Amino acid sequence: QSVLTQPPSVSAAPGQKVTISCSGSSSNIGNNYVSWYHQLPGTAPKLLIYENNERPSGIPDRFSGSKSGTSATLGITGLQTGDEADYYCGTWDSSLSAVVFGGGTKLTVL
Amino acid sequence: EVQLVESGGGLAQPGGSLRLSCAASGFTFSRYSMNWVRQAPGKGLEWVTYISSSSSSIHYADSVKGRFTTSRDNAKNSLYLQMNSLRAEDTAVYYCARDVPIRYWGQGTQVTVSS
Repeated sequence: QSVLTQPPSVSAAPGQKVTISCSGSSSNIGNNYVSWYHQLPGTAPKLLIYENNERPSGIPDRFSGSKSGTSATLGITGLQTGDEADYYCGTWDSSLSAVVFGGGTKLTVL
Repeated sequence: EVQLVESGGGLAQPGGSLRLSCAASGFTFSRYSMNWVRQAPGKGLEWVTYISSSSSSIHYADSVKGRFTTSRDNAKNSLYLQMNSLRAEDTAVYYCARDVPIRYWGQGTQVTVSS
């Protein structure tokens, strides 16, 4: 049981837009920055979004992040088949004194 | 370029021990907090432990508390994870990761606990 809640899977057609939600509480998302990662099979996670809505260099602006209260959302526009991966949200939990992750969302581009 | 390279993984028997290492380069290691995160086969990411830049603050997941010990040597730009009393459920890829929230990840090292 993950501290942060994500949908297990989402899907959309190429070129379309998809959003992935991440729900937490005041001890984690509500009072700390959220990051988003994607992971291709057999590879390490890679940072997509940090500090709720910032993109590292090299990440296209098709990827966006937002946060409201105790929830965060990852948005991906102009879906490509290469976007098929597992996506995770993560943050610090001040009550647990722990890094916490969502359970992961598998994105399928139909 | 930030690089994190894990080593030390392998096969261990239940009840046995392993020591993982993470060699850091491309940044001033002594200024950053570090973590170990693991991923069991077919499962999601599970945070294992956090250590602050000066080692003054260390935290562990309940699943490893009392069995695993994290440490760092800032002079050697290295992070370590001593894993004792290993169990089958510790089988996973172990990642070294920088910052909180995490910004950089190593490529991972496989740990398999089996008789």
